[in-house]
Amino acid sequence: QQQVKQSPQSLIVQKGGISIINCAYENTAFDYFPWYQQFPGKGPALLIAIRPDVSEKKEGRFTISFNKSAKQFSLHIMDSQPGDSATYFCAATGGFKTIFGAGTRLFVKA
Amino acid sequence: NAGVTQTPKFQVLKTGQSMTLQCAQDMNHNSMYWYRQDPGMGLRLIYYSASEGTTDKGEVPNGYNVSRLNKREFSLRLESAAPSQTSVYFCASSETGGGQPQHFGDGTRLSIL
Repeated sequence: QQQVKQSPQSLIVQKGGISIINCAYENTAFDYFPWYQQFPGKGPALLIAIRPDVSEKKEGRFTISFNKSAKQFSLHIMDSQPGDSATYFCAATGGFKTIFGAGTRLFVKA
Repeated sequence: NAGVTQTPKFQVLKTGQSMTLQCAQDMNHNSMYWYRQDPGMGLRLIYYSASEGTTDKGEVPNGYNVSRLNKREFSLRLESAAPSQTSVYFCASSETGGGQPQHFGDGTRLSIL
């Protein structure tokens, strides 16, 4: 049972464009929604996170949009750069457990 | 400041062998976690330790045991390795008590033949 569904699996964006990754969850007990960035050969790194009482959170070029009624949230990367090329994971936390999406491989073309 | 350190980085085992994956953090974090990462499946929680002296099962605990040796160290043991346990294993830690990992190690790549 996949509790957090992430799409797309892979994404190619031109430099300067907007990268959008979407996630949907099922369990309404989740109360924290982080995003992680992972480079090859490295562990994931916490990028940005949001709580369900907020509809949007922005940190630099990264923005999370959250729709509680639809049980969906998304990551927007503005002005995407080649250095943003990595795998991105959405996740949802509840009851001291964090469930991860399957990941999105982002490639930003120079 | 090393953060989260995992050893070994690579290991090859034969089916039935046992081994312990080591993890240590130097950030004085209360909570620690073990995840496995398989292609197309994201990361799945094996075990976690909310605080020193406590451990609990995650999503996929079967075939594994853990020990929270002290506040710094959290080890993962495979008692009788199986090919299905071939994976990349990540240890993580967090300061907050909500269950979301903040800092990850760089992983142990484990192959079981």
